[in-house]
Amino acid sequence: RKEVEQDPGPFNVPEGATVAFNCTYSNSASQSFFWYRQDCRKEPKLLMSVYSSGNEDGRFTAQLNRASQYISLLIRDSKLSDSATYLCVVNRGGGSYIPTFGRGTSLIVHP
Amino acid sequence: DAGVIQSPRHEVTEMGQEVTLRCKPISGHDYLFWYRQTMMRGLELLIYFNNNVPIDDSGMPEDRFSAKMPNASFSTLKIQPSEPRDSAVYFCASSLGGGPTDEQFFGPGTRLTVL
Repeated sequence: RKEVEQDPGPFNVPEGATVAFNCTYSNSASQSFFWYRQDCRKEPKLLMSVYSSGNEDGRFTAQLNRASQYISLLIRDSKLSDSATYLCVVNRGGGSYIPTFGRGTSLIVHP
Repeated sequence: DAGVIQSPRHEVTEMGQEVTLRCKPISGHDYLFWYRQTMMRGLELLIYFNNNVPIDDSGMPEDRFSAKMPNASFSTLKIQPSEPRDSAVYFCASSLGGGPTDEQFFGPGTRLTVL
């Protein structure tokens, strides 16, 4: 099993739709979790951290389920500008906070 | 403030040639990371440094790859000799610390093509 797994997509949704991505991780000792966003031919950039209690930033909501070892990202009221690849990031655990990146989920928002 | 700076942005070379990629991290960041991204394998961590010291190079694919960080503001990733399968985008990233909430800041990447 890969350390961090994501559905590559693409998820093709109309503007205004709600879309959700999941990401599973294999290391139960992992302590920190993030979503990064990567635009085409650009570098990854932090979108948001994921906390145990869940967190929200505008139209974006991130959740963590430790029992099932997955994190999720929910995007409400999708915009054209949300089109990008979303990378799930999980630290290695065991005292190391060095991240492992998933391969990303591609989102395409169309008019 | 300037972000992470990488050079060159694009590199095209022939198999067998030496390639050197350069990175300047954000000032004050203690951690520096080198990643490789391909369609097949995604984003892979090659090596990372803490305070200029290499900590984990287990991701370096083979002896043809080497990385150095002679000071806090400069790092290089060298491939010698290069092979076509090394073609990828190489990212450098830095972070303030190595803690659980530390964000990584990526440079724009070097797109390497080995013919």
